[in-house]
Amino acid sequence: LAKTTQPISMDSYEGQEVNITCSHNNIATNDYITWYQQFPSQGPRFIIQGYKTKVTNEVASLFIPADRKSSTLSLPRVSLSDTAVYYCLVGDIGFQKLVFGTGTRLLVSP
Amino acid sequence: DVKVTQSSRYLVKRTGEKVFLECVQDMDHENMFWYRQDPGLGLRLIYFSYDVKMKEKGDIPEGYSVSREKKERFSLILESASTNQTSMYLCASTVGGRLNTEAFFGQGTRLTVV
Repeated sequence: LAKTTQPISMDSYEGQEVNITCSHNNIATNDYITWYQQFPSQGPRFIIQGYKTKVTNEVASLFIPADRKSSTLSLPRVSLSDTAVYYCLVGDIGFQKLVFGTGTRLLVSP
Repeated sequence: DVKVTQSSRYLVKRTGEKVFLECVQDMDHENMFWYRQDPGLGLRLIYFSYDVKMKEKGDIPEGYSVSREKKERFSLILESASTNQTSMYLCASTVGGRLNTEAFFGQGTRLTVV
């Protein structure tokens, strides 16, 4: 899996949009970009996955520029319940071992 | 509803004991993984398996072994538990042979070695 770099932590307030950027300079042609969310004392859960351009689901949007060397997870109008650690993974996950970085700890305040 | 189930949510063991952590998935996934998670260190990969009876070392295999006798079950074994193995242990699975797939995680086992 390609090495990824994310901010260690971010702070926000309820109702704001939060953008978390992940750098992955050595992404390979077959690699997908996947984001996971983890609450305390729980396992990570899948949020969103994309290959290029923009992907949106009911939870988040994922923006991937043309060179694919970075990606941005966008959480619209965060609430207190979005306080969690967010992990960015890059790779053809079905084929390779799954290695997580340290993630970004998002704290949403009232 | 797809599931990865870990046998225990909380476990307390004594130093030197042999400890078994069990993980079962009902999705017919080929790949299974064991991680430990400690504050400030994220998820660290211990072992993974691509198929029955196959295993590969992850980043921190020392002090651990694994067993995968059936496709749905992946066991993590602490041969002689030590206090530095006190941690949260997480199991995950993914389908193999596809470019895009997601990992499913169990609820975790918080192991305390005293």
